[in-house]
Amino acid sequence: DAGVTQSPTHLIKTRGQQVTLRCSPKSGHDTVSWYQQALGQGPQFIFQYYEEEERQRGNFPDRFSGHQFPNYSSELNVNALLLGDSALYLCASSLAEGELFFGEGSRLTVL
Amino acid sequence: GDSVTQMEGPVTLSEEAFLTINCTYTATGYPSLFWYVQYPGEGLQLLLKATKADDKGSNKGFEATYRKETTSFHLEKGSVQVSDSAVYFCALTGGATNKLIFGTGTLLAVQP
Repeated sequence: DAGVTQSPTHLIKTRGQQVTLRCSPKSGHDTVSWYQQALGQGPQFIFQYYEEEERQRGNFPDRFSGHQFPNYSSELNVNALLLGDSALYLCASSLAEGELFFGEGSRLTVL
Repeated sequence: GDSVTQMEGPVTLSEEAFLTINCTYTATGYPSLFWYVQYPGEGLQLLLKATKADDKGSNKGFEATYRKETTSFHLEKGSVQVSDSAVYFCALTGGATNKLIFGTGTLLAVQP
């Protein structure tokens, strides 16, 4: 049984560009959450998707947007990248409000 | 709002030493409490959890007890191994949501 898978694992962008990160949830899970983990910090909640709708959102600007597909996979999009967006982006899946299972993350570097 | 405070690292121990990593929380209502571990280059793994006061979570020799009176959830292990070297995060969820609020993490380095 595959766990949560994320792609790409590493990527480098320049300021002002746009990025899309992808996440496939654990089999049987219908809810996907995204977290940003800056270097040396704990993960910060970005948003959560359920039934293709954004159900909750953390304190992140509108440059951060997402999508959930009918197969429950999800994308995180960040527009107009800033240096401060450099971080490890973690995807977590769950069955509704159950336990979260995390992927290994996508490490984004903005130059 | 809800928050988690954990002791700053790094914590450096010799193999077989006793480990304590302190964690305190602020929350309205009755949160569930968690410890996650992050090995180098990897994502987060749930280590243990407790969902109500006086519950003790345990896994792989690690333990933590949910203390409502002191709003604490300290992580302990009686004898650490080199393989325990990682970053440990204390976290909580509150209300009717599974959104996690994390502390800043504590780096543990165990030397042979």
